[in-house]
Amino acid sequence: TQLLEQSPQFLSIQEGENLTVYCNSSSVFSSLQWYRQEPGEGPVLLVTVVTGGEVKKLKRLTFQFGDARKDSSLHITAAQPGDTGLYLCAGISRGDDRGSTLGRLYFGRGTQLTVWP
Amino acid sequence: DTEVTQTPKHLVMGMTNKKSLKCEQHMGHRAMYWYKQKAKKPPELMFVYSYEKLSINESVPSRFSPECPNSSLLNLHLHALQPEDSALYLCASSQEKVASAPYNEQFFGPGTRLTVL
Repeated sequence: TQLLEQSPQFLSIQEGENLTVYCNSSSVFSSLQWYRQEPGEGPVLLVTVVTGGEVKKLKRLTFQFGDARKDSSLHITAAQPGDTGLYLCAGISRGDDRGSTLGRLYFGRGTQLTVWP
Repeated sequence: DTEVTQTPKHLVMGMTNKKSLKCEQHMGHRAMYWYKQKAKKPPELMFVYSYEKLSINESVPSRFSPECPNSSLLNLHLHALQPEDSALYLCASSQEKVASAPYNEQFFGPGTRLTVL
């Protein structure tokens, strides 16, 4: 059972287009992280969202955490070829947040984004 | 400094070899993790160490043997691996401090690309 459903799985767009990646769950998360990974490298943390309804911006990337802390989205404006990579959402389940943060990090399946020049 | 280092970057081994993967972090994190990642898939948790003690073993075969010599180092000893064990092996660390929950994001190293012949 996949705790975090991430969509779309693949996205191939032209430079300059906008896109949104979704991460949905029926479970509540204490926090949710977005990572970007290039081939052969480890995931790089982009952002952490914690508060329901929170919106964070990182240059052309906008991250949103749902009001109920069950879902999140990543929106990229004017995508560039350098944005190409595997985008992963991952969260710490509220059910595991029993005074310990020892992370069982639940990952979505990932979105492989390709931006063509 | 949010750096986790891993050595070697690449490793090719036969099924009868014994080798070790190494991971190091100097962020004062007290939780360290080993993940296995196949191409275009999210990382799969293998082991978690908290305060140098093994806390989680995700039913990993005994041919993988983790070791945490001190709070900064994490090793993964490999013996009698199978070709299907070929993957990217990722190390990660997080603070493991209740007071800073849920911001205890996991920071990943660059990974070791393992090929078993």
